[in-house]
Formats: sequence, structure tokens, C-alpha cells
Amino acid sequence: NAGVTQTPKFQVLKTGQSMTLQCAQDMNHNSMYWYRQDPGMGLRLIYYSASEGTTDKGEVPNGYNVSRLNKREFSLRLESAAPSQTSVYFCASRNRGSSTDTQYFGPGTRLTVL
Amino acid sequence: QQPVQSPQAVILREGEDAVINCSSSKALYSVHWYRQKHGEAPVFLMILLKGGEQKGHEKISASFNEKKQQSSLYLTASQLSYSGTYFCGTESTTSYDKVIFGPGTSLSVIP
Repeated sequence: NAGVTQTPKFQVLKTGQSMTLQCAQDMNHNSMYWYRQDPGMGLRLIYYSASEGTTDKGEVPNGYNVSRLNKREFSLRLESAAPSQTSVYFCASRNRGSSTDTQYFGPGTRLTVL
Repeated sequence: QQPVQSPQAVILREGEDAVINCSSSKALYSVHWYRQKHGEAPVFLMILLKGGEQKGHEKISASFNEKKQQSSLYLTASQLSYSGTYFCGTESTTSYDKVIFGPGTSLSVIP
């Protein structure tokens, strides 16, 4: 039982390049989330998915797209990276509605855009 | 809208108690509490749901006042391991599943 896994752990991009951050969970959770955390700051919600096939915008969706490929996987795509997107990206999943409602975070992807 | 946390930072000596507050302008379905240490992912502490009561363990507990849209995290007899940044996340009754986090409270426990 790995929990929430994210790949890659580290990435350096040049301005204008694109990339996809991968996230997978093996806990059969319905809800999944993408957050970004800038140095010394809090967590800001980018997108979330309440169930397979649905996605919704969070607080800071501009410049990002997401895909809820299936129940396990939720990917985040940067189409044209900008230095302002330098951040740590956390994926999370949650078993909302259960008696043991809990939100678990992955280890994060540290992204630098030059 | 982002919840408000107070205080922004607190320094404690081992064994002292602390309270961290979280408030929202929206009617809440749930409040989530996390602790994050430098360079690591946030770690789940507890979730308080609408209609629920105070939760927690012996030394870390939390309350949720639905009418005031507020929650408080209580840390009793603090230990060095309690150091870190504490975040509250809120889920409103009009946006289920959308969990928004506050700016965090930095807590340092010194010997």
C-alpha cells in the first residue's frame, strides 16, 4: 500500500516548455487534488476532482490543465511553463464521505522554471 | 475564500500549551488540520465534520464551532516534535470537496 505517489520528484524546465506531473493513489479514494506551495507560503488549490470523470477549478487554475484518467490517477499539465510556476506541487487524495474521512498528501514534485 | 489563521507564529517551551485558531467567512462542512515540517509533505492530524464534536488524542485535539465558522487546534504539554507549520483547510457547504487552506501557523517548541 504505497498511498499517494507522485512523479517526478524533481524537474527543471525552461520557459515555454511543457510537462505533465503524474499522481496515483492506491487507496480507492474518490476525491483527488492538486496544490502548489511557494517557498514559505501556504497551499493553494489548483484543481480538484470529486470523482472519476469530473474536474473543477480551484483557487489558481490559470496555466494548468488536469486529467482524471481513472479512479487511481490524476495528472497535472503545464502547457507553457513560466517562472511564476516554480513551486512545489502536491497531489492529495481523500475518502470523502466515509466514516474515516482523511486527506493524504503525496511527497511532492519540486519544479523549477528557468 | 481562504480561511484566516491566528496566530501567525508562536514559540513555546517544552510542556507548554498552545491554541491555533482558524476562521472562515463561509458556512463550513468540514475543517481539516495538518502539520508540515520543513521540506516535507503535510501530515494529516484530523478532520472535523459538520454536526460532529470535538476530536483528537490525548495531547492534540480540536473543536469546531459551526455557527461561528471557526475551529481551534489545542496542543497540550508540547513536545519538541510538535514544531512545524500547522495548516487548517476548510470545505464549505456550497462547494463540497473543495478544500482551501489557510496561510499556516509556525510553531516552534524549544527545550
